[in-house]
Amino acid sequence: DQQVKQNSPSLSVQEGRISILNCDYTNSMFDYFLWYKKYPAEGPTFLISISSIKDKNEDGRFTVFLNKSAKHLSLHIVPSQPGDSAVYFCAARPAGNQFYFGTGTSLTVIP
Amino acid sequence: DVKVTQSSRYLVKRTGEKVFLECVQDMDHENMFWYRQDPGLGLRLIYFSYDVKMKEKGDIPEGYSVSREKKERFSLILESASTNQTSMYLCASSSTGRLNPQYFGPGTRLTVL
Repeated sequence: DQQVKQNSPSLSVQEGRISILNCDYTNSMFDYFLWYKKYPAEGPTFLISISSIKDKNEDGRFTVFLNKSAKHLSLHIVPSQPGDSAVYFCAARPAGNQFYFGTGTSLTVIP
Repeated sequence: DVKVTQSSRYLVKRTGEKVFLECVQDMDHENMFWYRQDPGLGLRLIYFSYDVKMKEKGDIPEGYSVSREKKERFSLILESASTNQTSMYLCASSSTGRLNPQYFGPGTRLTVL
């Protein structure tokens, strides 16, 4: 049973515009949420995270929003750049050590 | 910088062979993980370990075993490789604590013929 879902397998955005990647989860015990970026033939790279006590966290061009009542997480990239083209995974963690990952969204930024 | 290394980037094995994938981390992390990544399925957890000699099954442990004799090293073993184990294998580590991310190695692309 997929506890973390990314319902859009792919997304295309023009360079300079905003990219919005979405993620939904089902487990209300999750208290830590993360986004990873993955290029082909490489391991995922940690991008940004947010604790359940916050609703927003920013790091440069990347902002993560958390809506606990809707069990929804989103990653905003502004402005999008061609180098942002990659697969993005969201992940969540309850108390404990195991992480749960979504199936990924492939972002293409068109120059 | 956190460094997680995996013994091979690419590996080709024959059906029935015993396969060892090694992972080493240099950040003194307590937790280590093995995932496989397949198109459309995301990252699926095979096994994880939260301490030396400790292991827990993940979502898809069948056909795999693990070994953690030292804190920095976590090995994944395919006892008798099969073609459906052709995949990208990813190792990760993390520190215990609520707000600590996982850090991944570069991955091993395993092909079983």
